[in-house]
Amino acid sequence: EAGVAQSPRYKIIEKRQSVAFWCNPISGHATLYWYQQILGQGPKLLIQFQNNGVVDDSQLPKDRFSAERLKGVDSTLKIQPAKLEDSAVYLCASSWGQETQYFGPGTRLLVL
Amino acid sequence: QKEVEQNSGPLSVPEGAIASLNCTYSDRGSQSFFWYRQYSGKSPELIMSIYSNGDKEDGRFTAQLNKASQYVSLLIRDSQPSDSATYLCAVPGNSGYALNFGKGTSLLVTP
Repeated sequence: EAGVAQSPRYKIIEKRQSVAFWCNPISGHATLYWYQQILGQGPKLLIQFQNNGVVDDSQLPKDRFSAERLKGVDSTLKIQPAKLEDSAVYLCASSWGQETQYFGPGTRLLVL
Repeated sequence: QKEVEQNSGPLSVPEGAIASLNCTYSDRGSQSFFWYRQYSGKSPELIMSIYSNGDKEDGRFTAQLNKASQYVSLLIRDSQPSDSATYLCAVPGNSGYALNFGKGTSLLVTP
């Protein structure tokens, strides 16, 4: 069974630029999550989708971050414009309902 | 927000010893608890989940839950250098699915 796929794996941008990350969850997993993990901290939920609907985006900085999951499968997370404090690893995870969450390899973002 | 607290460490134990990792949580109503392991530069992977008071054993790992004290721990017996990683404690958040993670405890097992 293929795992959660993410791309790109690494991205370096300058502040005020925009960036997008892509995630393809495990086949059949209806629930998809985007987490932000800053160095030295645990992952923090940004947004949770159930199929193509948003369940929780209370911690998503909506003035600069957006996410979509149009067909209920893969998802895109965008940052526009990026700030220095957005430097982090962006982790995508998926699950079958409330079962175990499986994490992708993450995208490491460095904002200069 | 359901808070999860962990000692960041590092916790250093000699090879073959028992490593004890601890976690406290703020929401008395939390029902499920998870331990994830994260190697440096890698993504978290689930190693244990526990739902009931008491102990749950899986190989060298034992999770212990005390809901009255709002405390969950992870014991690693016969620690190996390959166990060196950050261990993250997590509880489901308000949506019931997404997880609230602690900052993680860094474990170093020395040969």
